[in-house]
Amino acid sequence: QVQLQESGPGLVKPSETLSLTCTVSGGSISANYWSWIRQPPGKRLEWIGYIHFSGSTNYNPSLKSRVTISVDTSRNQFSLKMTSVTAADTAVYYCVRGRGSADSWGQGTLVTVSS
Amino acid sequence: DIVMTQSPDSLAVSLGERATINCRSSQSLLYTSNLKRYLAWYQQKPGQPPKLLIYWAYTRESGVPDRFSGSGSETDFTLTISSLQAEDVAVYYCQQYYSIPPTFGQGTKVEIK
Repeated sequence: QVQLQESGPGLVKPSETLSLTCTVSGGSISANYWSWIRQPPGKRLEWIGYIHFSGSTNYNPSLKSRVTISVDTSRNQFSLKMTSVTAADTAVYYCVRGRGSADSWGQGTLVTVSS
Repeated sequence: DIVMTQSPDSLAVSLGERATINCRSSQSLLYTSNLKRYLAWYQQKPGQPPKLLIYWAYTRESGVPDRFSGSGSETDFTLTISSLQAEDVAVYYCQQYYSIPPTFGQGTKVEIK
């Protein structure tokens, strides 16, 4: 059974870059699509983007200019970078398996944007 | 973006009774070339990530109890819990994956009456 675990700073300053990594265990990253989804406090879930193990990506147009998702197959990890963050980017960030329906989720990590 | 609207925002149901959650999409989620409906349902309990219950509008994820079922057509979909159990207290979300970006409903909170 595949498991996902997010890691990265829980506090980021405004205008700086948010960086998170997702480690996949119990299965190979070279077999699926992988996505990032976030959930701002009290708001609905928002899909950020996905990556295929080959490196091809697709992003939410509303975030595309600030987001990069990358994959490291040797470490069975994929990562999220989001530049120029503001308080509106405060959310629980989830890494998931899938590009449509998501059948496996990490526990999520709260990222707060504050000075 | 496709807008997903759920109703009601919350509902309270007695144990053993039926719970029905509706989800409407702003455009059809039926892909005519394969006749699949690009709609999923998730369950989220406090402090936990969402859990996939149903995909392709009707297909139950492995391990999900058969009291959960999905139905719907092109823009109107329903998640039914046939006999509510205490462990079903949660927030339920629908999601479309017909087009980029995938979008979610606002959630429906299910409680015990």
